[in-house]
Amino acid sequence: AQSVTQLDSHVSVSEGTPVLLRCNYSSSYSPSLFWYVQHPNKGLQLLLKYTSAATLVKGINGFEAEFKKGETSFHLTKPSAHMSDAAEYFCVVKGYQKVTFGTGTKLQVIP
Amino acid sequence: DTGVSQDPRHKITKRGQNVTFRCDPISEHNRLYWYRQTLGQGPEFLTYFQNEAQLEKSRLLSDRFSAERPKGSFSTLEIQRTEQGDSAMYLCASSLGTSGFPDNEQFFGPGTRLTVL
Repeated sequence: AQSVTQLDSHVSVSEGTPVLLRCNYSSSYSPSLFWYVQHPNKGLQLLLKYTSAATLVKGINGFEAEFKKGETSFHLTKPSAHMSDAAEYFCVVKGYQKVTFGTGTKLQVIP
Repeated sequence: DTGVSQDPRHKITKRGQNVTFRCDPISEHNRLYWYRQTLGQGPEFLTYFQNEAQLEKSRLLSDRFSAERPKGSFSTLEIQRTEQGDSAMYLCASSLGTSGFPDNEQFFGPGTRLTVL
């Protein structure tokens, strides 16, 4: 069985403050984990991925995520939010020939 | 543009009609995925090709849906006898993968938005 849960459907932060988007997963296999971002009317873009190498993964635009096997979590963080970060973010787990997206977290950045 | 392209970008059809969508992946990518995304939801996996072989199909892919990738390059997704519940964004993605697991990054196309009246 494979599933992914994004714990918050909406997150609102002030510009310049930290961002935390939470993701828990379950998988029967050693999964690959991804975070994608979707800006309005634009295609999905990969932010970062974990594929059993370093547990702290750095991505584009200052985002990073830490794979915690014991907690089955893969939370996305950024030290300081920028207005351009406002978008929808998807946590994705990939097992053997199966890809599961979370339901998404909409990030609002308040000026 | 050397990214993933999809055609058409928008399709409006009447219930009961058949529709076909096309996806052109990045040329050297051997893997191709189809997803469906409804409003407020994440993409749902539909099916996956490695070269011309269709290796995985979701139970979401009813018998009204069929996908092909005849030469291991572009792919088509056909929906027969469309229903209003088929209204969604249909996304295609491609990646370059070696045999086994894990996969590399999937590059997504802009999607085809289907509206069934």
